[in-house]
This record gives sequence, structure tokens and C-alpha cells, in this order.
Amino acid sequence: GAGVSQSPRYKVAKRGQDVALRCDPISGHVSLFWYQQALGQGPEFLTYFQNEAQLDKSGLPSDRFFAERPEGSVSTLKIQRTQQEDSAVYLCASSLAGTPTDTQYFGPGTRLTVL
Amino acid sequence: GQQLNQSPQSMFIQEGEDVSMNCTSSSIFNTWLWYKQDPGEGPVLLIALYKAGELTSNGRLTAQFGITRKDSFLNISASIPSDVGIYFCAGHPNSGYALNFGKGTSLLVTP
Repeated sequence: GAGVSQSPRYKVAKRGQDVALRCDPISGHVSLFWYQQALGQGPEFLTYFQNEAQLDKSGLPSDRFFAERPEGSVSTLKIQRTQQEDSAVYLCASSLAGTPTDTQYFGPGTRLTVL
Repeated sequence: GQQLNQSPQSMFIQEGEDVSMNCTSSSIFNTWLWYKQDPGEGPVLLIALYKAGELTSNGRLTAQFGITRKDSFLNISASIPSDVGIYFCAGHPNSGYALNFGKGTSLLVTP
């Protein structure tokens, strides 16, 4: 079946612009995660949804970052007034159940470059 | 999140050689996971470990969950060119849903 998909795959923004990144999880997966991966680093947790509820947003770096999953399936990560330090790959992952140790399946990521 | 220290940072080996990489943490983890990431792709799960002392194999890959719950290693036997990529350790701490990742080990295999 289809895996996690993300769009766009690449995004270039001018500093100060707002961007929206989309994640389509595997159908039926309850849990959805967003991670930020800087160049040469491992992914870092941003936020977690169980269905439509955002249960953990402790990793969001500032109030410019906002995520939503209104119907419990597709999720959008929005970054307002982008800064150069926001340049990174943004990864989305989903897992079938709501247990912390359930296997997370990752999408290919969106590479964001802020000029 | 809690820092995972992964080593070595990179490895350059010949096809057929065995490879070993490890990961340590100052905190206890409930699970240890090993992922591989190819350029332009997301991480793909290789092996998951759920109990202290557990030793698990997946083909040419073997991984162990340390007794102290603060470390794990991954071995790759008889490496082949398609093993090239970045390998990440990751773990679930005692609370929360986030996965904490190491900084990765970049593996290059020459034919």
C-alpha cells in the first residue's frame, strides 16, 4: 500500500514569508509526528498528534511554528515569518496505534530553504 | 530531547568487511531502534529492540539493547555496496511519544 507522502518535496522561501507543508499519513494510522532534520544531523521531534488531538508540541522551536490535523488524517505544518535557521528537511511519520513504541513510518520529507 | 551519542561519525570500508557502530545515552531508554536513511528519503526502520539484553538479527544486521538500557550497537556483516547510507540510532525515553535520534553514522562501501 501507499506510504507516507509529503508535499511539496522542495520549497524555497524568502525570509519573512509564510510556508505550509503537507503530510498524508498511511491510511488508518492513528498517530502522526513531525520532525525537523538539519543538515548533517538526526531528526528532532517537533510535535505529535493522536487522531486530531495534538498531544505533544514540546519540540516546536517557536510560536512561529504551528501544526494541525483537523480531521485526524492529513496534517499541515505551518511556519510563519520564516527565518534562515528554519532551513531544514521536515519529516512526517505515522504509526498505526497510539502507543509510544509503535513503529513510525517516515515520509520522504520536505526540504525547506529560506533565503 | 535527550542526547544520543552515536559513533563513529563516518566509516569507509571495503565490500565484504564487517561494520560495527554504537549509540550511548546518559538516560534510560525503553526501546532502541536503528534506521537507515538514503539521500532524499526518510529514515527506514531496520531493527527494533524492546527489552534490555535483547539481541535481534535481520539478515546481515544484528543489534543489541544494552543491559543498562543506556546503549545499543548495530553490526553489519559482509557489507555490500547497497549498504551505503546514513545509519541512525533512536530511542524512546521513559515518557512521551517522541523518538530521540543520534547524529548518524555515514557508511561508505567500496566495491
